[in-house]
Amino acid sequence: TQLLEQSPQFLSIQEGENLTVYCNSSSVFSSLQWYRQEPGEGPVLLVTVVTGGEVKKLKRLTFQFGDARKDSSLHITAAQPGDTGLYLCGGGKLIFGQGTELSVKP
Amino acid sequence: GAVVSQHPSRVICKSGTSVKIECRSLDFQATTMFWYRQFPKQSLMLMATSNEGSKATYEQGVEKDKFLINHASLTLSTLTVTSAHPEDSSFYICSATFIRVEAFFGQGTRLTVV
Repeated sequence: TQLLEQSPQFLSIQEGENLTVYCNSSSVFSSLQWYRQEPGEGPVLLVTVVTGGEVKKLKRLTFQFGDARKDSSLHITAAQPGDTGLYLCGGGKLIFGQGTELSVKP
Repeated sequence: GAVVSQHPSRVICKSGTSVKIECRSLDFQATTMFWYRQFPKQSLMLMATSNEGSKATYEQGVEKDKFLINHASLTLSTLTVTSAHPEDSSFYICSATFIRVEAFFGQGTRLTVV
């Protein structure tokens, strides 16, 4: 059974700080996706990483796929209050990590 | 990205009644649709996977007779919560995919059973 372990589960930071969210598994994934979800809404796809070692950037967000394709990370630079939300990594049969609830305070 | 529409967005029903939630892929044909349940501040729990024209595959612990899933066309899947009880109150989300690795999500349905 494929499992995704996401950490941290809760993160509260001040505007301007940097943060990293991790998504780990003992299984190899052909790809991993990162989503962001706001309260009362469905998750919105941010990025898909496919190649081991791949790095993708989306403005202040940097996504990395581990060389062995078992883990991924999301790094946010200079976080803003608008980044607040639930971040989810997903893969395989659309299974998800536990999610990271991010709160960025002004 | 592709558009998936879920309806209704909110529903309140009486205990013992049934509620149907629709999930439509608006601009692509979805070979597979997924149904999830989500509790506050928690991740998505996969309930079932449905492929067009075949029976849904339910995850362990999900009652198939209680959560009826129909995927009659490539653009529509429905989830019916039968004989709903207050403990069924939750946020239900569908997603749809077409051969690609990514799935696109509906807006979710907030079900409250009173």
